[in-house]
Formats: sequence, structure tokens, C-alpha cells
Amino acid sequence: GAGVSQSPSNKVTEKGKDVELRCDPISGHTALYWYRQRLGQGLEFLIYFQGNSAPDKSGLPSDRFSAERTGESVSTLTIQRTQQEDSAVYLCASSLVGGSLGYTFGSGTRLTVV
Amino acid sequence: DQQVKQNSPSLSVQEGRISILNCDYTNSMFDYFLWYKKYPAEGPTFLISISSIKDKNEDGRFTVFLNKSAKHLSLHIVPSQPGDSAVYFCAATPPGRDDKIIFGKGTRLHILP
Repeated sequence: GAGVSQSPSNKVTEKGKDVELRCDPISGHTALYWYRQRLGQGLEFLIYFQGNSAPDKSGLPSDRFSAERTGESVSTLTIQRTQQEDSAVYLCASSLVGGSLGYTFGSGTRLTVV
Repeated sequence: DQQVKQNSPSLSVQEGRISILNCDYTNSMFDYFLWYKKYPAEGPTFLISISSIKDKNEDGRFTVFLNKSAKHLSLHIVPSQPGDSAVYFCAATPPGRDDKIIFGKGTRLHILP
């Protein structure tokens, strides 16, 4: 597709369950980013993939969070043993090179932990 | 510790008037400053940016002003249009890391008819 695609668009899960969020970047974009936005907060950086380099995981809030990316394609963000404070909109972005001026964001996945 | 601060959660402006969105930052070494616009249920979209070596950048109805001594930047929209109603995020890139963006909390702009 022409844009960054995220699925699901909405997810409600019970506390303690694992969830997996998916991001399809724009074809050819080497850089992929995950951000989250909790209610009333700004966009919080989580993780960054650039080509075959080791990912920058410095924003992951706990070891319950992990992300993978296969080559320059799909990425999945996994949250294990979800907590209520994980409720947020999770946004994925991609860019052609690792430069912030070329970010294209997806529409996000709204995660609600009940 | 918020490095990029947008202290006004919302702003209402009459259609046709000027909208001024403000942003303060703490790190004097930021390289680039950016503004993103976000509609409900959509991802943020890039609007305009400014390098830290400049003090003004203009693109159509949008102008960003940077005051480095005050660590303050502002986005001016003139004239304001109904389609400008959205959440606006101020953002900055750390020195040497233009691949990483630090965002503010956003300001919701309402354009009144």
C-alpha cells in the first residue's frame, strides 16, 4: 500500500494477557519506529529499527515490551502480561533513511487493557 | 522530565484570525524542531520544520519562529481555516540523532466559525 499500515486498529485485552501489534511500513523504507501516546501525554519513543543494524531499544518501558522486524518489512510489537498502564495508542512510523524529516506515521493501534 | 513542553492543552481561534501555538524546550543542543499535525484516528503528519541555525521558516500559511535564547518556538497559522482544527505536536531532534524525535504533549486547536 501507499502508506504505513497498522493492525489491529483497536484492541481490547484483559490484564495479564499478551498482545501483538503489527506494522507494515512503506515499501523500501529502511527505518521503522514505534511510539506510543498515553492519554494526555505526548508521543513517547519506544524502539527504532534501521536496516540491518541493531535496533535502538532505549525507549522500551519494561522487559514486557519487545519488538521484531524481519529485514526491511513488517514489524511486530509484543507486550507480555499487559497492565492497565499499557493502555495507549501505539503508533508506527517509517522513513526512507534514518531521518526524522521523512517520517510517515500509520493510524495507530488503540490498546485498551481492562 | 519533559524536554519539549507545550503548556497549552487547547486553543480556540476564530476562522480567519491568526493561530499561535507555543512550545518551550530545555535542551539547547537540539538540532531540528518540527511541528506535526494530527487528526482524530489518524497518525501525525509532518507540517513544517526549522533548523536550530535559523530563526524563521515559512511555508504558505504556516510560519515557525525560533528564539534560541529563550528556548522557545512558535507556529503561526494565518489565516486560520476550519481544516486546521487538529492536535499540533511540537518536536525536536537530539544532537546528532536526527533519526529520533522527542515530542511534546500536543495542543488541540479549535477553529471557530
